[in-house]
Amino acid sequence: AQKVTQAQTEISVVEKEDVTLDCVYETRDTTYYLFWYKQPPSGELVFLIRRNSFDEQNEISGRYSWNFQKSTSSFNFTITASQVVDSAVYFCALSEWGGGSNYKLTFGKGTLLTVNP
Amino acid sequence: GAGVSQSPSNKVTEKGKDVELRCDPISGHTALYWYRQRLGQGLEFLIYFQGNSAPDKSGLPSDRFSAERTGESVSTLTIQRTQQEDSAVYLCASSLILGGDTQYFGPGTRLTVL
Repeated sequence: AQKVTQAQTEISVVEKEDVTLDCVYETRDTTYYLFWYKQPPSGELVFLIRRNSFDEQNEISGRYSWNFQKSTSSFNFTITASQVVDSAVYFCALSEWGGGSNYKLTFGKGTLLTVNP
Repeated sequence: GAGVSQSPSNKVTEKGKDVELRCDPISGHTALYWYRQRLGQGLEFLIYFQGNSAPDKSGLPSDRFSAERTGESVSTLTIQRTQQEDSAVYLCASSLILGGDTQYFGPGTRLTVL
């Protein structure tokens, strides 16, 4: 069964600090996809990134970067020079390749990030 | 282009009443998904559609829940005889294809059962 663990329930930082959100996943499939979504106070889930299990290259997008390590089953997310607008709940999610309900996204419980001015 | 839309945005109902929640996916997206998010919790998968077919209904919490989809467009999630534990935000998502593709979410319907 697939599982996603986000051990950090809440993180509070001061603006301009760097912050890393942890995500550890479990799956028996060799082909799978990992995602990060942002849920600001407005409530709508915003897609941030999708990675497949065959691509372990780290990715950088502006102030955001992601570190995918299959050896530790982790897909961590770092925000550099955080800003108040980064305050949100961040969800890590896993989708396995295959039939039936494996098409679903399995979400972690989310990490509430608060960036204080 | 237009994203996923859901209606109503808020629904307050009395225990025992039936409710219908609607989802309009992104045009051209063949796959559609329903999730539920209870207060302060993660997202719980309910059901997915490939076209208008829902091969696996095992994620639905009880037989009071049902869903249907017309072609590759609108989907409705129906909850019969609502209970207080049904109170949650119901989120709909769509993706271009099934199987690992990015799911884009709508704004959700906040359901409150009194």
